[in-house]
Amino acid sequence: QVHLAESGGALVMPGGSLRLSCEASGFIFSESFMSWIRQAPGKGLEWIANIGSSGTTIYYADSIKGRFTISRDNAKNSLYLQMSSLRAEDTALYYCARDNGYSYGYDSWGQGTQVTVSS
Amino acid sequence: QSVLAQPPTVSGAPGQRVTISCAGSSSNIGADADVHWYQQLPGAAPKILIYGDNNRPAGVPDRFSASKSGASASLSITGLQAEDEADYYCQSYDYSLSGSHVVFGGGTKLTVL
Repeated sequence: QVHLAESGGALVMPGGSLRLSCEASGFIFSESFMSWIRQAPGKGLEWIANIGSSGTTIYYADSIKGRFTISRDNAKNSLYLQMSSLRAEDTALYYCARDNGYSYGYDSWGQGTQVTVSS
Repeated sequence: QSVLAQPPTVSGAPGQRVTISCAGSSSNIGADADVHWYQQLPGAAPKILIYGDNNRPAGVPDRFSASKSGASASLSITGLQAEDEADYYCQSYDYSLSGSHVVFGGGTKLTVL
């Protein structure tokens, strides 16, 4: 059974940094594309980054480009999001999700980890 | 402003049929990009409801169906039940010079009256 568990969310000051983690189990992580998707309080879903199975193919949303870095460690079945220069508008619940491809969408989601940017 | 436009709210009585629209453009749905739909129950993570335009994952009731035409897609729910009250999101892919990006609709809150 596919399981994704995010961690690392916290209250951080504007301009600060944070690293989110997502531990995967129940599937062959090294063969899966993965994404980070966030949801601001009371708002909709926003895709922010994709990473291919080997880690060499990466895409970012314009809203976070240059500030956030997605990475993965297939030996540890883990996905990461390094966040820097955080802003109030980055406050959101951050989900990791398994991207099953263009024709299948995001078939598995974690429960999310909360990031709050405030002074 | 989301790339894919959805109505903020829809409502219906138990047993009725509702439809949620998802309007895109020539760079996403109109470019024949696949459309997926997600259901997010209150306080829960999103769950895939429809994939590849009109396919239901195992366990999703056949009361849920979807279609796509031109640059738009729609999700239909028949025989509305109280448990269907949730937020619904469409998702597709936008093709630009910088590559293919995932795009979501702004979400539609379904209220069962």
